[in-house]
Amino acid sequence: AQTVTQSQPEMSVQEAETVTLSCTYDTSESDYYLFWYKQPPSRQMILVIRQEAYKQQNATENRFSVNFQKAAKSFSLKISDSQLGDAAMYFCAYRSAGDSWGKLQFGAGTQVVVTP
Amino acid sequence: EAGVVQSPRYKIIEKKQPVAFWCNPISGHNTLYWYLQNLGQGPELLIRYENEEAVDDSQLPKDRFSAERLKGVDSTLKIQPAELGDSAVYLCASSLGAGTGTVVTDTQYFGPGTRLTVL
Repeated sequence: AQTVTQSQPEMSVQEAETVTLSCTYDTSESDYYLFWYKQPPSRQMILVIRQEAYKQQNATENRFSVNFQKAAKSFSLKISDSQLGDAAMYFCAYRSAGDSWGKLQFGAGTQVVVTP
Repeated sequence: EAGVVQSPRYKIIEKKQPVAFWCNPISGHNTLYWYLQNLGQGPELLIRYENEEAVDDSQLPKDRFSAERLKGVDSTLKIQPAELGDSAVYLCASSLGAGTGTVVTDTQYFGPGTRLTVL
């Protein structure tokens, strides 16, 4: 079974600064997908960014980018130019490419606090 | 386009009482998921449906939990009787469905969840 580990319970960042969230995962599979979801206090999980394991190029979405290191099984999220609206719980998730039903395996989450 | 709708948003009950949660997925989404999220943890899959068929319910505690998705649209998750340890957030998600081609088209969209408190 795959496991996803987020070792940082909380990260604090000042507005306009950059913060990096770490995520490691354990798998024996070679083909899979990785995701970062954001969960604000409203509780609604919002997809931030996705990465296909077969792609070497790191995914980017505006101020959000990932550093995907397949050999190290590491998938970190960088939030640049942090804004107050970025404050939320961030979850890293894994999905097997062989699982046609789309089951997501989530980490425990990292709380991001943005200070003015 | 409306997102995933869940109701109620909050529910407080006494232990041993029954409770039900309702989910309306995004229109056209064939796959529906129920997740359990305990405080300070990530969501864990309880059950997933492909249309009206439960294709993975291995994590659903079947002695007290049940779910249904009649007509392959709305879904209801029920707990009877509720226990103190069931206090959590219950999230519903939907996606276009397996076999739609790519992980992009199979992205899961989540509802706001129901926060259950069992006293």
